[in-house]
Amino acid sequence: AQSVSQHNHHVILSEAASLELGCNYSYGGTVNLFWYVQYPGQHLQLLLKYFSGDPLVKGIKGFEAEFIKSKFSFNLRKPSVQWSDTAEYFCAVRGPGRRALTFGSGTRLQVQP
Amino acid sequence: GAGVSQTPSNKVTEKGKYVELRCDPISGHTALYWYRQSLGQGPEFLIYFQGTGAADDSGLPNDRFFAVRPEGSVSTLKIQRTERGDSAVYLCASSLRPSGGITGEETQYFGPGTRLLVL
Repeated sequence: AQSVSQHNHHVILSEAASLELGCNYSYGGTVNLFWYVQYPGQHLQLLLKYFSGDPLVKGIKGFEAEFIKSKFSFNLRKPSVQWSDTAEYFCAVRGPGRRALTFGSGTRLQVQP
Repeated sequence: GAGVSQTPSNKVTEKGKYVELRCDPISGHTALYWYRQSLGQGPEFLIYFQGTGAADDSGLPNDRFFAVRPEGSVSTLKIQRTERGDSAVYLCASSLRPSGGITGEETQYFGPGTRLLVL
């Protein structure tokens, strides 16, 4: 079955540490890829997206993600996290011929000051 | 401009009751999606509308769930004979129809959700 996997369920980092959250998907063909973030008490917000072109995508708040087609991955990175990055992060994929998104189960990031 | 809005923000009901959840999409957005998010999980697709018609309802779990969008804007998700397992956050998202058809670029914007608790 087509799926999206986020292997890190809960990540705890200190401020200024580097972040990498994994996302793998099982779709073949052309996909659109997204990372959404949900800050405590807030709704899902788009962090960044990939449709085509340069596989290194830059988003808001210093986040970036790299699409590696051969690995079916779209990992999220940030060189130096801040306490305000504490949130839940969701990877989502729009598979070929579909409009709906398939989400991973999310990664809860806790940044300690 | 205004984002996607959903009402109510919280709904508590008893097992067996009927509930309606409302979604107001971003003005001008032609596509509208409903997702359900259970505790500790990512959102799961339920149904999507392009205009007034349900273009894909493959995610609806059973026939107790139904959604309408009669004028192509506001949508209502209806759940009959609620069960405790229906407890979740119900999310709505909207988007502009992608210019490239089904393979075009499209970004979905999410509302705050309705937290449904079935006792």
